[in-house]
Amino acid sequence: AQKITQTQPGMFVQEKEAVTLDCTYDTSDQSYGLFWYKQPSSGEMIFLIYQGSYDEQNATEGRYSLNFQKARKSANLVISASQLGDSAMYFCAMREGLRYGGATNKLIFGTGTLLAVQP
Amino acid sequence: DADVTQTPRNRITKTGKRIMLECSQTKGHDRMYWYRQDPGLGLRLIYYSFDVKDINKGEISDGYSVSRQAQAKFSLSLESAIPNQTALYFCATSALDSPNEQYFGPGTRLTVT
Repeated sequence: AQKITQTQPGMFVQEKEAVTLDCTYDTSDQSYGLFWYKQPSSGEMIFLIYQGSYDEQNATEGRYSLNFQKARKSANLVISASQLGDSAMYFCAMREGLRYGGATNKLIFGTGTLLAVQP
Repeated sequence: DADVTQTPRNRITKTGKRIMLECSQTKGHDRMYWYRQDPGLGLRLIYYSFDVKDINKGEISDGYSVSRQAQAKFSLSLESAIPNQTALYFCATSALDSPNEQYFGPGTRLTVT
């Protein structure tokens, strides 16, 4: 069965430091995608970064990068130069692979990591 | 204007009442989803739809029904609300040919008393 595991319920980081949020996944699909979302206290889900299973380069989006280690089935999010506004819940999610009739694109989510950035 | 909108944004209702949550999108996406978020459990899929004639159950569909009135509209109904359906509900959209794009609405906070 497909599963996303985020083992860090909460993390602290000092402002301007880098932080890594862990995500491991389990799937038997050859083609899949991995997402990271940020959820601030206001509740909306903000897309941060995407990594396809066949992408050879690790994805980067500004201060966000995804450390994709396919053999280890991990997709850790690295936030560089943390800012106070980065304090939020962070979710890792996996898009299932292709199925007969086409991909559903439905997402399976981890339980999230609450990040607190300290001044 | 937001690409994915949800109404209402907040709702308090009583046990046994019927309630409908609505979602509209301007992305032109064919796929739409309803997720539920409970503290400590992440988001879980309730229903999803490929088009107006294709509705599928997700992980936790019991107690819910949906209607895809048009490509742009996908509604979630609680026929007889119960307190453990108190949660944050998200609508999302995606396109078959753009699997790396998943757009979420702002969420509906539902409380069942």
